Amino acid sequence: SAVISQKPSRDICQRGTSLTIQCQVDSQVTMMFWYRQQPGQSLTLIATANQGSEATYESGFVIDKFPISRPNLTFSTLTVSNMSPEDSSIYLCSVGDFGSEAFFGQGTRLTVV
Amino acid sequence: GENVEQHPSTLSVQEGDSAVIKCTYSDSASNYFPWYKQELGKRPQLIIDIRSNVGEKKDQRIAVTLNKTAKHFSLHITETQPEDSAVYFCAAFGAGNTPLVFGKGTRLSVIA
Repeated sequence: SAVISQKPSRDICQRGTSLTIQCQVDSQVTMMFWYRQQPGQSLTLIATANQGSEATYESGFVIDKFPISRPNLTFSTLTVSNMSPEDSSIYLCSVGDFGSEAFFGQGTRLTVV
Repeated sequence: GENVEQHPSTLSVQEGDSAVIKCTYSDSASNYFPWYKQELGKRPQLIIDIRSNVGEKKDQRIAVTLNKTAKHFSLHITETQPEDSAVYFCAAFGAGNTPLVFGKGTRLSVIA
């Protein structure tokens, strides 16, 4: 199993600012994903973080708003840009190969005021 | 793409009773179906999974059944305990390089 360290665990940010969330895995993994979980809701995939190339975004999510970096096989960052209160949510990093168990970071609880 | 529907959205059972949560999926090529448990404030954790080449899998009080023809799979929890109270998510992996798609979740409450 993979051990994922995600930080920060929570933050309160002013609207219009940006926050970068980090995800560190204890072993090399092929696939890394970023999910958003709004209060009381399910997990919605934001994008797949690809090592060495641009992330693959799901419908409704764009690179300008959620830029993602994946410099190597153990690390990724998600930035939430130009934040508004609607961005208040939990953001989760996940790793796992297609067709096998997915592991999750502990999440980042973001509040935008 | 894959679409996963999950029912019910909330479920209350008496301690010791059984709980059943059902999910349907749309992509007939999907081949891996995990179930995750998420306790309040914590990350989702895998509790059981099933692949498309088997119809049922058990792990102590937890079982999952899969009907490929009908494209639905179910989670069964027997002898429920208060610590089973959580939100449960079903999910499906489509064929090829497609990410995990989650159902909307079921909030299970086990009443002592």
